[in-house]
Amino acid sequence: ELKVEQNPLFLSMQEGKNYTIYCNYSTTSDRLYWYRQDPGKSLESLFVLLSNGAVKQEGRLMASLDTKARLSTLHITAAVHDLSATYFCAVVMNYGGSQGNLIFGKGTKLSVKP
Amino acid sequence: EPEVTQTPSHQVTQMGQEVILRCVPISNHLYFYWYRQILGQKVEFLVSFYNNEISEKSEIFDDQFSVERPDGSNFTLKIRSTKLEDSAMYFCASRKPGTGVAGANVLTFGAGSRLTVL
Repeated sequence: ELKVEQNPLFLSMQEGKNYTIYCNYSTTSDRLYWYRQDPGKSLESLFVLLSNGAVKQEGRLMASLDTKARLSTLHITAAVHDLSATYFCAVVMNYGGSQGNLIFGKGTKLSVKP
Repeated sequence: EPEVTQTPSHQVTQMGQEVILRCVPISNHLYFYWYRQILGQKVEFLVSFYNNEISEKSEIFDDQFSVERPDGSNFTLKIRSTKLEDSAMYFCASRKPGTGVAGANVLTFGAGSRLTVL
């Protein structure tokens, strides 16, 4: 069974600080997604990481993937209040099927305080 | 920007009642999904649908659940006899056809339908 573990589950940061969210998964996958969810809202796609060593950056967020360690990280640089949200990583469960059956982590609730 | 539209945004129902949640996927997308999120918990896969049939389903998607694409635009999730534990946010998602291209496999989620079973 594919399991996806995120940590921390809760993160309170001060503006301007850096931090990293970790996502471990239990079986082989070279396709990992990061989504953002604002309270009461839907899931917004942030990054798709497709291969070992992949690194993607968008603004203050940078995501990386190490398929050998089965680990992805989401690094936050110089946090600002607008980044406050819940961040989910997700791994594709089944390559042979529709390739959209995502297994999500529990999410990391990020709160950025002034 | 194209979006996935879900209705209703919130539905309250009595235990044992049937509920139908509706979704209008993005028009050129061919793969459709339902996920659910119990309050404060992670997002869970329910079912995927392609070419007018279920392609994958999870253990959660038991005989009480069904999906249908009754016409060219709507994609529905029916819960036949709701239970208290069905209370959750239900997300519809869709994606383009094709594989091996980063953008093609990204799911676009709707805003969700909150179901409250009393």
